[in-house]
Amino acid sequence: GENVEQHPSTLSVQEGDSAVIKCTYSDSASNYFPWYKQELGKGPQLIIDIRSNVGEKKDQRIAVTLNKTAKHFSLHITETQPEDSAVYFCAAIRRNEKLTFGTGTRLTIIP
Amino acid sequence: EPEVTQTPSHQVTQMGQEVILRCVPISNHLYFYWYRQILGQKVEFLVSFYNNEISEKSEIFDDQFSVERPDGSNFTLKIRSTKLEDSAMYFCASSGQGVSYGYTFGSGTRLTVV
Repeated sequence: GENVEQHPSTLSVQEGDSAVIKCTYSDSASNYFPWYKQELGKGPQLIIDIRSNVGEKKDQRIAVTLNKTAKHFSLHITETQPEDSAVYFCAAIRRNEKLTFGTGTRLTIIP
Repeated sequence: EPEVTQTPSHQVTQMGQEVILRCVPISNHLYFYWYRQILGQKVEFLVSFYNNEISEKSEIFDDQFSVERPDGSNFTLKIRSTKLEDSAMYFCASSGQGVSYGYTFGSGTRLTVV
């Protein structure tokens, strides 16, 4: 089955700086890669996603890049703000099957 | 924006008791899922449900677990005889035509087994 690795497990950045979180996946048939933000006591919230036929996608301060050959994808947050502090999970999936989550990154924005 | 609704938000139960966690998926979605998250760990897949039957389940989803869609709107997870290690957040999710179409999570039920 699919295996998703995520790094780093914790990340602290100064407010205004950029944050990058990286994930690798094992199943070359995976074709959809969402990123979720989870705040304390809440469910995962989709923040951005990318499909395997696209190399990069951007939504305001958030961007995701995908390298299918290397089987890795990354989340980039620019101009970080205190409200970006949360746990971020990457995930991978193929077709209508289950989501396989990474182990999560606790991002802390230092004011 | 459409939501996946889960009830209750928190459930405390005695070990050995049965619990039923309830979910109302987004109305036009066809695929339904349960995931769980033990405190401080990643979200793990339990089961997926499509066309009124289980389409996939993980090794966590043993004979103590069952799912049901009793009517056109609810989707339930039953744990027959709870164990201490069942304590976790349980998330329901639903998706439309194919998983990448509006895959949405509910806010979860925190299950505490004492």
